Amino acid sequence: DTAVSQTPKYLVTQMGNDKSIKCEQNLGHDTMYWYKQDSKKFLKIMFSYNNKELIINETVPNRFSPKSPDKAHLNLHINSLELGDSAVYFCASSQARGTATQYFGPGTRLTVL
Amino acid sequence: GDSVTQMEGPVTLSEEAFLTINCTYTATGYPSLFWYVQYPGEGLQLLLKATKADDKGSNKGFEATYRKETTSFHLEKGSVQVSDSAVYFCALSDPDDYKLSFGAGTTVTVRA
Repeated sequence: DTAVSQTPKYLVTQMGNDKSIKCEQNLGHDTMYWYKQDSKKFLKIMFSYNNKELIINETVPNRFSPKSPDKAHLNLHINSLELGDSAVYFCASSQARGTATQYFGPGTRLTVL
Repeated sequence: GDSVTQMEGPVTLSEEAFLTINCTYTATGYPSLFWYVQYPGEGLQLLLKATKADDKGSNKGFEATYRKETTSFHLEKGSVQVSDSAVYFCALSDPDDYKLSFGAGTTVTVRA
């Protein structure tokens, strides 16, 4: 069974469109995250949720809106897509903060044309 | 703020060679330190971690020791295989934090 899953794996869309990426974890974890990996492979936190509550919003444009309907899901909705949004987006989860291992999904490669 | 500085790549090695990837960090508290690996086309997997000074993390022949005096967490493997070709990320997390801060990643290619 996949621990952290994301859909879709690839997403190609036009500038200005709105799109969503879904994430689900079956590990029973309380905390979920979204990370962005740019073309140089650099990874940066976007959002952290703990028990469905937003904990971190790391200076992400408000075109990005995470939503956590329950502890097992954290979806990412992006409005008015821009060329610079092209990246790989990773969802992750962990049991707790700090020392806890984060488990990553396979990533969603978003290409904005 | 917290930061991680990682040896830049790419690194190309022959099979059975010794691998070391340097990682140093800056943190205000006592962070946990991690090495994650990303194989081509995949997500990140935890390779090893250490949560306090002098701890040694090890997995799949890789090792790293948490050195508080030098604020380092260098990754080593004595004899690499082609299957070790991947991008390696050093990362840290403060005990009360809800995020990982990553280094820039080091691409390692092992030739047969």
